[in-house]
Amino acid sequence: TQLLEQSPQFLSIQEGENLTVYCNSSSVFSSLQWYRQEPGEGPVLLVTVVTGGEVKKLKRLTFQFGDARKDSSLHITAAQPGDTGLYLCAGGTYFGNEKLTFGTGTRLTIIP
Amino acid sequence: NAGVTQTPKFRILKIGQSMTLQCAQDMNHNYMYWYRQDPGMGLKLIYYSVGAGITDKGEVPNGYNVSRSTTEYFPLRLELAAPSQTSVYFCASSYALGGGVDGYTFGSGTRLTVV
Repeated sequence: TQLLEQSPQFLSIQEGENLTVYCNSSSVFSSLQWYRQEPGEGPVLLVTVVTGGEVKKLKRLTFQFGDARKDSSLHITAAQPGDTGLYLCAGGTYFGNEKLTFGTGTRLTIIP
Repeated sequence: NAGVTQTPKFRILKIGQSMTLQCAQDMNHNYMYWYRQDPGMGLKLIYYSVGAGITDKGEVPNGYNVSRSTTEYFPLRLELAAPSQTSVYFCASSYALGGGVDGYTFGSGTRLTVV
C-alpha cells in the first residue's frame, strides 16, 4: 500500500508570510498532483508534475517534484486569505494505469 | 460545462434507513469514483468504475453499493445507514485512471448525517 504523508497537518499563519507544505512517500510516483479544497466544495486540481526535479509556478504558488519522484513540496509566497483551504497531494503510478493515491492533507488558514 | 453534479447537497438519515446519492458527469469520462471525507481527514475511496457495467471496491466499501449502467451516472447506495456513515461524500470522474494531466474532477459533495 502506497502512503503519502503530508506535513504539517495544520498550519495557521498571518497574511503576507511565506509557507511550505510537504508531501512525502517511500514509493516512487510517475506523477504528482496538488489539489485545493475550499470549505463546502470538492477538491480542485492546481497542478500536475511528472518529471523528477520539475518545478512549476502558478502565480504565488511554486510546486516541486523531488528528483527521485518520491516527494513534492508546495511553496506559497505572500499568503493571502484566499489561499485558505485544505491542500491535498495525490500520486499516480504505472504511468496512469493505477488510481491516484491521495495524501493525508494540510489544512491551511491565512489570518488577515 | 456542469462537470460533476451531486445530489442532494445535505441529508439527514435515521439509523437503518437507506438512500441513494446521485452523481452525474457530462464530460464523457470513463472513470468515476466515490470518496468519503471525514472531518479534518483526507479522502477514502469507497468504490470506483472504469466504464459502464464495471465497478470495483475501494478501501472502505462495506455498507455501500454502486451501479454504473451508463457512462454519465454513478449512484452510490447506502443500505441500513449507521452513525459511522456520517461523512461528506464526493463523486469524481476522470478520463484516465491515474488522472492524466487534467486530474480528477470532483463534485461539490453530499453532507450526510446519520442519527
